[in-house]
Amino acid sequence: GAGVSQSPRYKVAKRGQDVALRCDPISGHVSLFWYQQALGQGPEFLTYFQNEAQLDKSGLPSDRFFAERPEGSVSTLKIQRTQQEDSAVYLCASSPGLAGPLGAKNIQYFGAGTRLSVL
Amino acid sequence: DAKTTQPTSMDCAEGRAANLPCNHSTISGNEYVYWYRQIHSQGPQYIIHGLKNNETNEMASLIITEDRKSSTLILPHATLRDTAVYYCIVRFGNQFYFGTGTSLTVIP
Repeated sequence: GAGVSQSPRYKVAKRGQDVALRCDPISGHVSLFWYQQALGQGPEFLTYFQNEAQLDKSGLPSDRFFAERPEGSVSTLKIQRTQQEDSAVYLCASSPGLAGPLGAKNIQYFGAGTRLSVL
Repeated sequence: DAKTTQPTSMDCAEGRAANLPCNHSTISGNEYVYWYRQIHSQGPQYIIHGLKNNETNEMASLIITEDRKSSTLILPHATLRDTAVYYCIVRFGNQFYFGTGTSLTVIP
């Protein structure tokens, strides 16, 4: 079956531009996560959706970052007025169950990511 | 206050076992430990997870100490394709905390 798909794979933006990054999770997965990965660092949590509800956005670095999942499947991460410090790989992951200590259902399956470069 | 601590890098000879340690001394009683790896330009790939008991699957074995403060991922016969960054992960609320991982290089 298809895994998590992210598009575009690469995005170059001029400083100040708005960008939109798309994530297609595994069909039927309830939970969806966004992470930001700076060069040489591990992924860092941005936000979490349970179906269409955004239950945790504590990792979003500023109000320029906005995420949505309106129908509980595809999600979009939008960054407004991009800055050079936004350059990173943005990873999306989905999970079949709810977030919480439930073992196998909480395995997160990751996409290949979108590499954003802000010039 | 690091949630996981791993060596920055390790080398392993091809065909030998690779043993990757992780310290997670602040883990709570109901949190699982997950291991993922990330090959350059790819997303993290799930390897194995465990709570209290040792676990084994087709990819690796996971040894968790009795006090659950540390664990070791074992790749029994490392191949060149196992060269990657390995992350020991604990949950923190809704989040996976990745840390900086161990860069494993398998040497021919």
